[in-house]
Amino acid sequence: QKEVEQNSGPLSVPEGAIASLNCTYSDRGSQSFFWYRQYSGKSPELIMSIYSNGDKEDGRFTAQLNKASQYVSLLIRDSQPSDSATYLCAVNGGSGGYQKVTFGTGTKLQVIP
Amino acid sequence: DVKVTQSSRYLVKRTGEKVFLECVQDMDHENMFWYRQDPGLGLRLIYFSYDVKMKEKGDIPEGYSVSREKKERFSLILESASTNQTSMYLCASSSGPSREVPQHFGDGTRLSIL
Repeated sequence: QKEVEQNSGPLSVPEGAIASLNCTYSDRGSQSFFWYRQYSGKSPELIMSIYSNGDKEDGRFTAQLNKASQYVSLLIRDSQPSDSATYLCAVNGGSGGYQKVTFGTGTKLQVIP
Repeated sequence: DVKVTQSSRYLVKRTGEKVFLECVQDMDHENMFWYRQDPGLGLRLIYFSYDVKMKEKGDIPEGYSVSREKKERFSLILESASTNQTSMYLCASSSGPSREVPQHFGDGTRLSIL
């Protein structure tokens, strides 16, 4: 079982719709959760972080965390063609002094004009 | 504006060569990382450094070493390059309480080993 799982997609949504990207993780001790956006041919960019159960909103982006069910999601409201990218989920946690970050393989989002 | 600069965008080397990938950051960040990114495997941590001359092994350190003699520079060394090290290599940096979380990535070096 992968430590951080994402559906690879592509997830296609029409412009203006809500895009919902999901991620599950296996380590119950995980403490911090992150979303990165990676445009084709570019490097990842950290866009959201969430540490406690519930929702965290930043503009059109909302991160949702449910530790009991071990999933984290990213909602993008009013999706724009410029949101088309691969979204990477990352989870920080584990035992010991160094708590590594584990990345999922990403979900490709396509926003159709 | 923050900047992480990797010395080469594309690099072609031969099997058995010793390869150096260089990364420089101008943000005075304590932490620097080397990842490789492969289709279907995602981003995998090779090495992490939280201070000058300090390093931690990541998930896939075999066949690699690192050097951090100055705070701003973190080098990745392929001791004897092999074809399975053909990949996109990404350097990153971070600071603050979540030091293990890469915050800023360089543009990447696409390395081909022939």
